[in-house]
Amino acid sequence: DAKTTQPNSMESNEEEPVHLPCNHSTISGTDYIHWYRQLPSQGPEYVIHGLTSNVNNRMASLAIAEDRKSSTLILHRATLRDAAVYYCILKRGGSEKLVFGKGTKLTVNP
Amino acid sequence: DAGITQSPRHKVTETGTPVTLRCHQTENHRYMYWYRQDPGHGLRLIHYSYGVKDTDKGEVSDGYSVSRSKTEDFLLTLESATSSQTSVYFCAIKDRPNTEAFFGQGTRLTVV
Repeated sequence: DAKTTQPNSMESNEEEPVHLPCNHSTISGTDYIHWYRQLPSQGPEYVIHGLTSNVNNRMASLAIAEDRKSSTLILHRATLRDAAVYYCILKRGGSEKLVFGKGTKLTVNP
Repeated sequence: DAGITQSPRHKVTETGTPVTLRCHQTENHRYMYWYRQDPGHGLRLIHYSYGVKDTDKGEVSDGYSVSRSKTEDFLLTLESATSSQTSVYFCAIKDRPNTEAFFGQGTRLTVV
């Protein structure tokens, strides 16, 4: 499975945008980029996913580099509820295995 | 919450005893997963299922077995529990390829 690299932790202020980076230099052409987050004491929840094009949904935006070797999860206005561990996952096309890394712990300051 | 129920939610057991954790879904989703989560390791995939009686190993499958005899239930069995299997176990379900997975609330297992 291709690996992802994320910073261990990041901090942001409430109501400001947050850009969470993910490097995946060994990504293959059929790998999808998925993001999940885990709030304290809860199971993970889906955030967004994409293949090649940038994606937007009600929770976040996903910006994928042209060479696909990196991506950025964008939270447009962080709230205290967005404090969580964010996981960037590469899912190989044709396989539904979801392998998590250690993620980025996001702290949101009031 | 998606219709996922993990049972039990908490369990304390002794080393060497067998333990079975159950994941039950009411969504008729095809894919089901078992993960464990430990401090410093994030979530690690134990086994997953892509249909009834179809399962595959994950990253940390040693010491664990699974069974899926019907769509709604995915059982995780520790044949002989060890202290290293003390962890929080999460089940997840997914309907179709490249869609979102939904996670249960977790089972906290302590092996003493």
